[in-house]
Amino acid sequence: ILNVEQSPQSLHVQEGDSTNFTCSFPSSNFYALHWYRWETAKSPEALFVMTLNGDEKKKGRISATLNTKEGYSYLYIKGSQPEDSATYLCAFSVGNTDKLIFGTGTRLQVFP
Amino acid sequence: EPEVTQTPSHQVTQMGQEVILRCVPISNHLYFYWYRQILGQKVEFLVSFYNNEISEKSEIFDDQFSVERPDGSNFTLKIRSTKLEDSAMYFCASGLGRTDTQYFGPGTRLTVL
Repeated sequence: ILNVEQSPQSLHVQEGDSTNFTCSFPSSNFYALHWYRWETAKSPEALFVMTLNGDEKKKGRISATLNTKEGYSYLYIKGSQPEDSATYLCAFSVGNTDKLIFGTGTRLQVFP
Repeated sequence: EPEVTQTPSHQVTQMGQEVILRCVPISNHLYFYWYRQILGQKVEFLVSFYNNEISEKSEIFDDQFSVERPDGSNFTLKIRSTKLEDSAMYFCASGLGRTDTQYFGPGTRLTVL
């Protein structure tokens, strides 16, 4: 059974703090790792897709890294703002399929 | 910016009734998906659809479920005889290529009474 784990489950930080979360996935037959940002009552927003070991992607204050050999990805948010409050989901896909296998998400709350 | 839309946002139905959930994917996308999230659980894959046929389905997607792309724009999920355990948020997604980014709609919350 292919399983994706995310930690922590939830995180409360002050505005201006930097934070990071982890996504762990099976490293065999890996194809791609996706990060999504999901605010309540809105569509999950695609942040990054990463495929190569050592990939680093950046979008504004948010960045992500990928280690396919050990099966993990980190998402970093620099200088958190209240509008960063959301659930951050990671999902991975294996080589012979296009279905995404999701983790449970990390719920981030940023206090002003 | 193009987006995936879904209707209705919330559907309440009686057990045993048929429901159809509707999605309008992004117009130039070729791959279409349905996922669902039961409250408190992970988002889980139901089915993928390409070139007017199902390309992959999960064990959840049994004979009670079907998908259709009846015209060039809509993509529907039908549940023939709903059960209590079908209550969930159903997400439609679309993508340009098989392994490209999947863009999600806002979901339809299905409540089966």
